[in-house]
Amino acid sequence: GQQVMQIPQYQHVQEGEDFTTYCNSSTTLSNIQWYKQRPGGHPVFLIQLVKSGEVKKQKRLTFQFGEAKKNSSLHITATQTTDVGTYFCAGGGGYQKVTFGTGTKLQVIP
Amino acid sequence: NAGVTQTPKFQVLKTGQSMTLQCAQDMNHEYMSWYRQDPGMGLRLIHYSVGAGITDQGEVPNGYNVSRSTTEDFPLRLLSAAPSQTSVYFCASSRGQFNEKLFFGSGTQLSVL
Repeated sequence: GQQVMQIPQYQHVQEGEDFTTYCNSSTTLSNIQWYKQRPGGHPVFLIQLVKSGEVKKQKRLTFQFGEAKKNSSLHITATQTTDVGTYFCAGGGGYQKVTFGTGTKLQVIP
Repeated sequence: NAGVTQTPKFQVLKTGQSMTLQCAQDMNHEYMSWYRQDPGMGLRLIHYSVGAGITDQGEVPNGYNVSRSTTEDFPLRLLSAAPSQTSVYFCASSRGQFNEKLFFGSGTQLSVL
């Protein structure tokens, strides 16, 4: 079945440093979604990428979808304490059988 | 609009007990699903439904039953709880079946002793 791996599993950064998490799928994806889960909370949708090579920005967050539609990345510029949480990618394989990555837990040190 | 409502928030069961986790959405969403979240394993799909009367298995369906008699409700049943089912459970819904963002409930933390 479809597998989606994320690296790193954990990341500690000083406030103001940049952060990147990578997502890799064993199969070609129809789309990739990114979610953020604050500590003790539930996943909240951030963005969806559909096209090969697509790049989208949300303020300090930059999302990329690979040319082969098998990988994606999320880059946060100049992290803030409000960025703390776990970031999940989720690969769409059709019929909403969305497969979530293992997540990257981000800790920001003030 | 309450969104996706899950109850209860916390539950402790003994091995062999049964219970139902409730999930309701008021957004008229066609698609509903249940995930479990375990440390280091992300969110794994248990069961999903693409409309009233239609359900299907996800990645980890064993030990769980679902039904979808109405568009709004999608309960998850544990028939005979086992310690391996200790987890955080999330219900999620989306407007349609393809390329639609998921809206999650606040989760149920379940412990099976």
